[in-house]
Amino acid sequence: QTVVIQEPSLTVSPGGTVTLTCASSSGAVTSGHYPNWFQQKPGQVPRALIYSTNNKHSWTPVRFSGSLLGGKAALTLSGVQPEDEADYYCLLYCGAAELWVFGGGTKLTVL
Amino acid sequence: EVQLVESGGGLVQPGRSLRLSCTASGFTFGDSAMNWFRQAPGKGLEWVGIIRREASGGTTDYAASVKGRFIISRDDSKSIAYLQMNSLKTEDTAVYYCVRGGGGIFAFDYWGQGTLVTVSS
Repeated sequence: QTVVIQEPSLTVSPGGTVTLTCASSSGAVTSGHYPNWFQQKPGQVPRALIYSTNNKHSWTPVRFSGSLLGGKAALTLSGVQPEDEADYYCLLYCGAAELWVFGGGTKLTVL
Repeated sequence: EVQLVESGGGLVQPGRSLRLSCTASGFTFGDSAMNWFRQAPGKGLEWVGIIRREASGGTTDYAASVKGRFIISRDDSKSIAYLQMNSLKTEDTAVYYCVRGGGGIFAFDYWGQGTLVTVSS
């Protein structure tokens, strides 16, 4: 079964830029994995940010962008705000035995 | 406004069954696939399963951890999706979320507020 790997934690300064990545134990992540990204703040319901690698939902702030980078899916936050402090999860379409697999999440600290 | 409201959670003994409901409003329910996700206390997110819209065959798929024990169904006339959970295990303890498949191809957009299922003797 595919394991999806994210950085456990990252720290960024307000106004800075940070890139979170999402790797697959099965090989390079491609557009065929339809990477989705979700944000979850403490005590809140997760919120969808990105789908199919780089598409934003209508509510996704402009400073969030998705891409493929070096065989991984990536979520880049440019001009980080204090309210961006949260857990971020990627979700990959893996087909076959396990259709969708989440990464373990990245805890982003804005400091 | 799209709304998804889960209900039916609670405390249940190992080996027993429980059925969750997800009542939808604010969109044409029959046009959307519906998913169930879950999150164990203090842990990450896990996809549980999907039921596709009737136009796509109304088929279902499940995570390996629940396959053979959980069944997803839908009643488009009532705009409700169900998650029937059988042979529950302590490791099924989690907040269960109903999530609409939408916003784009292979996308998920709206989430319900979740309902807590606790499996314990």
